[in-house]
Amino acid sequence: IAGITQAPTSQILAAGRRMTLRCTQDMRHNAMYWYRQDLGLGLRLIHYSNTAGTTGKGEVPDGYSVSRANTDDFPLTLASAVPSQTSVYFCASSEGQDPNYGYTFGSGTRLTVV
Amino acid sequence: GQNIDQPTEMTATEGAIVQINCTYQTSGFNGLFWYQQHAGEAPTFLSYNVLDGLEEKGRFSSFLSRSKGYSYLLLKELQMKDSASYLCAVNNDYKLSFGAGTTVTVRA
Repeated sequence: IAGITQAPTSQILAAGRRMTLRCTQDMRHNAMYWYRQDLGLGLRLIHYSNTAGTTGKGEVPDGYSVSRANTDDFPLTLASAVPSQTSVYFCASSEGQDPNYGYTFGSGTRLTVV
Repeated sequence: GQNIDQPTEMTATEGAIVQINCTYQTSGFNGLFWYQQHAGEAPTFLSYNVLDGLEEKGRFSSFLSRSKGYSYLLLKELQMKDSASYLCAVNNDYKLSFGAGTTVTVRA
């Protein structure tokens, strides 16, 4: 693993199903983030974690949950998927809480909810 | 709330110069970033400004005026590979808020 790995790369999901998007980093970065990217809206922050054991809500947290049990992993869960959650999801990490350290992004998960 | 505005699309000719403007109104400001994103790929870091003025990095330069809430990204000597989306992002309360992005198409 080098950098951030997201899985799956893409997924088609039936509405109402539960889904967990995985994100793992090997850079020992303290801060991690989940964004969704939609055409015309850009990247919007869903949830973030400044350090292992802590999480916070971003701009569009409804319908999503996260956990940060350790430094490396930051999974995003959709408890009951809805079509409006169709999007491309990017995980990112930063060495410190201040993003001026620079963000590293994963390659994204393309999710379609039908 | 956050308001970060940039043009939706721009087209330019190979070898030319293009300037992408970004205006922002955010509740806080701790720095401004520009990212490049090719279709179907992750964003990658281009530049970072925290003080007023111009930062030059090869063919790419970025300018910031904090008093005007304004930045621009200047791409010189355009190449076909520069066709991509360019995202303006503001460090607001120690998290990045992004504009919707500007899609630049470089034509031969």
